Amino acid sequence: GAGVSQSPSNKVTEKGKDVELRCDPISGHTALYWYRQSLGQGLEFLIYFQGNSAPDKSGLPSDRFSAERTGGSVSTLTIQRTQQEDSAVYLCASSLETHTGELFFGEGSRLTVL
Amino acid sequence: EDQVTQSPEALRLQEGESSSLNCSYTVSGLRGLFWYRQDPGKGPEFLFTLYSAGEEKEKERLKATLTKKESFLHITAPKPEDSATYLCAVRYGWGKLQFGAGTQVVVTP
Repeated sequence: GAGVSQSPSNKVTEKGKDVELRCDPISGHTALYWYRQSLGQGLEFLIYFQGNSAPDKSGLPSDRFSAERTGGSVSTLTIQRTQQEDSAVYLCASSLETHTGELFFGEGSRLTVL
Repeated sequence: EDQVTQSPEALRLQEGESSSLNCSYTVSGLRGLFWYRQDPGKGPEFLFTLYSAGEEKEKERLKATLTKKESFLHITAPKPEDSATYLCAVRYGWGKLQFGAGTQVVVTP
């Protein structure tokens, strides 16, 4: 596709339910990032994938959060047993290589936990 | 602890009124400072990369500069379409970018 695609664009769920957020990066981009943005806040790093290397999971806030990237392309961020504080916009970005700071962001998945 | 601090939090400008945004950082092993623009409901859009103190980059009415401890984003003669949140980010080591909280800029006609 022309850009980074994220789905769903909006998700409302009940506390305690599991959710999956999907990211389709730009074709050929080897690096993929997940960030979280709470209302009026900056971007909080969650996880980073680079090629076949082990992902950098240092930003995941708890073991309820996990992510995978299949075939070096599509990525899924899973949040188990959602809590109200998980409500935020989850942004995915990809880049051509690690060394560049030029990340291409999707429009985000807005998660609301009731 | 590595930190990225942006100021001011918000800036309201008249069209044509030039101003500057600040991004200060306390990271070791800096491997680039980056500026992004974010419009409401959208993901951030890349603007500039700066690597070395003294480096400058320009794009239309925007100019970014870098010193050893901070970066400035100068907006010259802004127009209403320059209204957005401007984010800076730093990379230390290879990998994740650490973002500041952003400066929300509103330019009124």
